[in-house]
Amino acid sequence: ETVLTQSPGTLSLSPGERATLSCRTSQSVSSSFLAWYQQKLGQAPRLLISGASSRATGIPDRFSGSGSGTDFTLTISRLEPEDFAVYYCQQYDSSPKITFGQGTRLEIK
Amino acid sequence: EVQLVESGGGLVQPGGSLRLSCAASGFTVSNSYMNWVRQAPGKGLEWVALLYSGGTTYYADSLKGRFTISRDTSMNTVYLQMNSLTTADTAVYFCASGATRYRSEYWGQGTLVTVSS
Repeated sequence: ETVLTQSPGTLSLSPGERATLSCRTSQSVSSSFLAWYQQKLGQAPRLLISGASSRATGIPDRFSGSGSGTDFTLTISRLEPEDFAVYYCQQYDSSPKITFGQGTRLEIK
Repeated sequence: EVQLVESGGGLVQPGGSLRLSCAASGFTVSNSYMNWVRQAPGKGLEWVALLYSGGTTYYADSLKGRFTISRDTSMNTVYLQMNSLTTADTAVYFCASGATRYRSEYWGQGTLVTVSS
């Protein structure tokens, strides 16, 4: 089973700052099968990025994804107040199994 | 407009069974990849089951064969039959759909399952 490890566990930043969230996988993952989700308290997750770098419909361009192999990154260029939430990476493998990272909590500093 | 509405959650005793429903609108479940994902209180997301558009099903290893995902195309609804429930199954269960098997574009609001005596 592919394990996804997200870091940091909690990230404290101020609006307007840049956020960089990491997702490392225990084995190489096809970029096509790596996605990022945002979840606000009490809400369902929302798809942000698929294929490691393609923004989902309606997602602002301040969100970007990058990476390949075992190292993937979600970047939020300039934080808006509504961006403070928990972020999860997710991978799909050929078993097929789907696994999520443990999440990064982005909080207001 | 795409919408997913889960129902069927509630309080159940350990060892009991429950069937969750996910009613879809705005798209056809038989043409989509349908997932169930759960979230224990205060914890992260855990994938539970996947139903391919072609009908093949896949499950998380941790479930040990206790859960079954299925669909009723006439009702445009997906189900999750859960048997031999334990307290570890207490969670909000989300239904999610995707045009491909490796992402979920649409999510329901979730239904809470509480396993307790």
